[in-house]
Amino acid sequence: AAGVIQSPRHLIKEKRETATLKCYPIPRHDTVYWYQQGPGQDPQFLISFYEKMQSDKGSIPDRFSAQQFSDYHSELNMSSLELGDSALYFCASSLISGNTIYFGEGSWLTVV
Amino acid sequence: QQQVKQSPQSLIVQKGGISIINCAYENTAFDYFPWYQQFPGKGPALLIAIRPDVSEKKEGRFTISFNKSAKQFSLHIMDSQPGDSATYFCAASKGSSNTGKLIFGQGTTLQVKP
Repeated sequence: AAGVIQSPRHLIKEKRETATLKCYPIPRHDTVYWYQQGPGQDPQFLISFYEKMQSDKGSIPDRFSAQQFSDYHSELNMSSLELGDSALYFCASSLISGNTIYFGEGSWLTVV
Repeated sequence: QQQVKQSPQSLIVQKGGISIINCAYENTAFDYFPWYQQFPGKGPALLIAIRPDVSEKKEGRFTISFNKSAKQFSLHIMDSQPGDSATYFCAASKGSSNTGKLIFGQGTTLQVKP
């Protein structure tokens, strides 16, 4: 079965640079979530989209923005990167009518 | 403030033993409680989930026990195997609609010794 696809899997950026992460949800899923997981930490909710509209917002820095496109894929844009942004970023998807949230493999961002 | 508290932080169990991980929540609006298993460098994978109208749910070697009045739920892994060694997260959400974001516990690192 198709899963949530994230790209790139690994990314190294310098401080103050910009990074973009992409997420392709499971086909027919209408809701996308972004989570950030620091080393040894639990995943922290950043933002979610339902039918291309932002549906909820968590602890997402103002330097970050995200959107969901007409084909339901989503992109997380991170600007003015800081060392503390180094983390594993997960995208997840679900159906709005269901509760099961499926996670992608994650994108490792290292800021040096 | 941690809305979902998980314990223990780490757990070592012998092969064939029972692993028990506990979680407590505060928000009574939560109505969906999944457990996720995560291997290093991988995304969390749904293991089993329960709703508060059920006190117990079993799937294979995995059982969730739910105590609504105490606002606690736990994961029991029967006949633990070395392949079960992973980090386990409990989570909670408010259920359907576009507020279904998951609030995770702090995680439990389980090591099953052969």
